[in-house]
Amino acid sequence: DIVMTQTPLSLSVTPGQPASISCKSSQSLLHSDGKTYLFWYLQKPGQSPQLLIYEVSSRFSGVPDRFSGSGSGTDFTLKISRVEAEDVGFYYCMQAINLPFTFGPGTKVDIK
Amino acid sequence: EVQLVESGGGLVQPGGSLRLSCAASGFTFSDHYMDWVRQAPGKGLEWVGRTRNKANSYTTEYAASVKGRFTISRDDSKKSLYLQMNSLKTEDTAVYYCARRPSTGWGIDYWGQGTLVTVSS
Repeated sequence: DIVMTQTPLSLSVTPGQPASISCKSSQSLLHSDGKTYLFWYLQKPGQSPQLLIYEVSSRFSGVPDRFSGSGSGTDFTLKISRVEAEDVGFYYCMQAINLPFTFGPGTKVDIK
Repeated sequence: EVQLVESGGGLVQPGGSLRLSCAASGFTFSDHYMDWVRQAPGKGLEWVGRTRNKANSYTTEYAASVKGRFTISRDDSKKSLYLQMNSLKTEDTAVYYCARRPSTGWGIDYWGQGTLVTVSS
């Protein structure tokens, strides 16, 4: 199985300041079709996960443009340009190139 | 609006069985692969399994931790997904989420609100 790691595991951010989360996979997520199957989800307190970013850098419908994704191969980054109070929760990266899908351990983001 | 609503969770003894359901609406259910993902209390996310669509013969895949004990099925006429869980263990205690694969592309785009399964004596 592909192992996903995330750093940091916890992040406390002042509103209006940027935040960045790193995700690494144990093998390349680049498929032969040319796409890279790395996804980012946010699980707000008491809610189910919601898709933020798909295929490394594409924002899902309705996701604010302060969220952006980048990376390639095995190294990926989620950036929030200006953190807002509603962005608190756990952020997970997930690989979907192979079954079983596997997730990073999650990064807890809270507000200072 | 895409909606996925799970039901059927509850308290069950070790070794027991439970069947979860997921009612889908707001999209053409029969077109999509569907997954189950679980989250133990205070823990991260674990993919449980998948059913493909009719065009792909409704084939299924399972995580090693549940293979041989859990069975995923679907009824496209009822727009419903099911998870039959047998020989339950205490480590199966989790919130179980129904999730949808996009019609184009891979991964998971929408998740249900989840249903809690507690395995305890």
